[in-house]
Amino acid sequence: GEDVEQSLFLSVREGDSSVINCTYTDSSSTYLYWYKQEPGAGLQLLTYIFSNMDMKQDQRLTVLLNKKDKHLSLRIADTQTGDSAIYFCAERGTYKYIFGTGTRLKVLA
Amino acid sequence: DVKVTQSSRYLVKRTGEKVFLECVQDMDHENMFWYRQDPGLGLRLIYFSYDVKMKEKGDIPEGYSVSREKKERFSLILESASTNQTSMYLCASSEGGQKSQPQHFGDGTRLSIL
Repeated sequence: GEDVEQSLFLSVREGDSSVINCTYTDSSSTYLYWYKQEPGAGLQLLTYIFSNMDMKQDQRLTVLLNKKDKHLSLRIADTQTGDSAIYFCAERGTYKYIFGTGTRLKVLA
Repeated sequence: DVKVTQSSRYLVKRTGEKVFLECVQDMDHENMFWYRQDPGLGLRLIYFSYDVKMKEKGDIPEGYSVSREKKERFSLILESASTNQTSMYLCASSEGGQKSQPQHFGDGTRLSIL
């Protein structure tokens, strides 16, 4: 079935780059998404990538897609304390959106 | 900007009560969704709707029902609340049609069942 997997935790120092990884199973997915959730809030769309692209850059965010391995990553350059949050990877499956369990990013000052 | 509004941020109810969670979106989106979020389990889809008066079961519909009488409003109903329904509930909406359309989320309702 459709499934999305992420590691649960990531800790980085302020100013370093963060890389959050995700694997998915539905090869028919045409779009993959990254969301950010701050404490007590809903999910905020950060960026998304079309499956025929390998990379997408948006300011400090870089998304890399390896379709062969069904692997998606989100790189945050110059990570700031305000980037501390839970990050969700999601794919559009057959008829609904499939979310990973989320990666909790902790940024150390 | 898309606005998805959930009626309550925090809600405390008692076991056996009938509970209504309301969600309104202001962008004329066709699709609306209800999820619950629990630590370590991510988001799990309860119900979704692709049109007015239309509903589809998600992955965990047991103990829940929904209502979509108007396009902008999608209600989640706990018929007889139980303690295992204590959770964060998230509503989302998206445009219909092309697969590119991302979901937009409300701020969530943290529901406690005592």
